[in-house]
Amino acid sequence: DQQVKQNSPSLSVQEGRISILNCDYTNSMFDYFLWYKKYPAEGPTFLISISSIKDKNEDGRFTVFLNKSAKHLSLHIVPSQPGDSAVYFCAASAHGTASKLTFGTGTRLQVTL
Amino acid sequence: DTEVTQTPKHLVMGMTNKKSLKCEQHMGHRAMYWYKQKAKKPPELMFVYSYEKLSINESVPSRFSPECPNSSLLNLHLHALQPEDSALYLCASREEGSYNEQFFGPGTRLTVL
Repeated sequence: DQQVKQNSPSLSVQEGRISILNCDYTNSMFDYFLWYKKYPAEGPTFLISISSIKDKNEDGRFTVFLNKSAKHLSLHIVPSQPGDSAVYFCAASAHGTASKLTFGTGTRLQVTL
Repeated sequence: DTEVTQTPKHLVMGMTNKKSLKCEQHMGHRAMYWYKQKAKKPPELMFVYSYEKLSINESVPSRFSPECPNSSLLNLHLHALQPEDSALYLCASREEGSYNEQFFGPGTRLTVL
């Protein structure tokens, strides 16, 4: 039972354009959502998060949008840079579960010149 | 210091060996986690420690034995592993409380022969 899904395994975007990564979830108890970036043979690096009381959070080039009614979140990267090429995981946790993270399957982003 | 360190970086062991993975953080975080990640898959939670006490065991086989000697250290003792246990083992830590992100270490790449 995959409670967090990233339906696009890969995405290719030109440098300077917007990258949009999507994530869907099924568990209505999730109230905190995070995006991590991962390079090969390294641990995930935290990018940005959003709690369920908000519908948008912004940090520099990264913006996360949350649509609770659709159980959908997205990460926007503007402008995309070659160094953004990596695998992006969305993750979710429910209050009172020791912040146990459930990860999506990941989207490989390639930013081309 | 916002770093989680893990040693060793790589480990090759036979099925009859006993070895340990080590994780350390000096951020004062009181929640620490072990994850297992197979190639092209998301990280899967194994164990959670909260205030040095085991709070979650995700039905992990007993050949994996976690230990939290103090608030900065987390060990994973390995014994009689199987080749299918070969994976990247990730440690993470988090400040207790709601809506706090987990910080991940670089991982230990384990190969079981």
